[in-house]
Amino acid sequence: AAGVIQSPRHLIKEKRETATLKCYPIPRHDTVYWYQQGPGQDPQFLISFYEKMQSDKGSIPDRFSAQQFSDYHSELNMSSLELGDSALYFCASSPGRAKGETQYFGPGTRLLVL
Amino acid sequence: AQSVTQPDIHITVSEGASLELRCNYSYGATPYLFWYVQSPGQGLQLLLKYFSGDTLVQGIKGFEAEFKRSQSSFNLRKPSVHWSDAAEYFCAVGDYNTDKLIFGTGTRLQVFP
Repeated sequence: AAGVIQSPRHLIKEKRETATLKCYPIPRHDTVYWYQQGPGQDPQFLISFYEKMQSDKGSIPDRFSAQQFSDYHSELNMSSLELGDSALYFCASSPGRAKGETQYFGPGTRLLVL
Repeated sequence: AQSVTQPDIHITVSEGASLELRCNYSYGATPYLFWYVQSPGQGLQLLLKYFSGDTLVQGIKGFEAEFKRSQSSFNLRKPSVHWSDAAEYFCAVGDYNTDKLIFGTGTRLQVFP
């Protein structure tokens, strides 16, 4: 079965640079979620999109922005990168945003900021 | 506010032994509960979920979990652990007001031969 695809899988950036992470949801899934998992931490919700509109916002820094495109893929744009942004970034998708809808996670993008 | 607590940071078991990973939640209504597993360097794979109905939920890889409202618990169990079960296990609850999942801090399972 098709899964969530994230690219790139690994990314190394320097401080103050920008990064773009991409997420391709499972086919026919219209809802995308982004999470950040710091080293040894649990995943923290950043932002979500439903039918190409932002549906919810969590602890996402103002330096980050995201959008969902007409083909339902999503991109997380990160600017003025800081050392503390080094983390594993997960994208998840679901077939709708009903309460309790299962979120299917991608393999993650590991970002290292030097 | 909703929250999830996983009291055990690290658990070590022998292969073939039984396993129980604890999860307690704080939630104002009927919770949506999930268990995910994360192998090193990998994404989160759903093991099982509880929405309503039968309080004993069967999942993949031989795992099961039991929802106990009176104890606010959703413990994960497996009767016989395999070496490939070594991973990080996260319990999560669906937030009542938003789209997000609220995760516990995880339990790292180590399996000895």
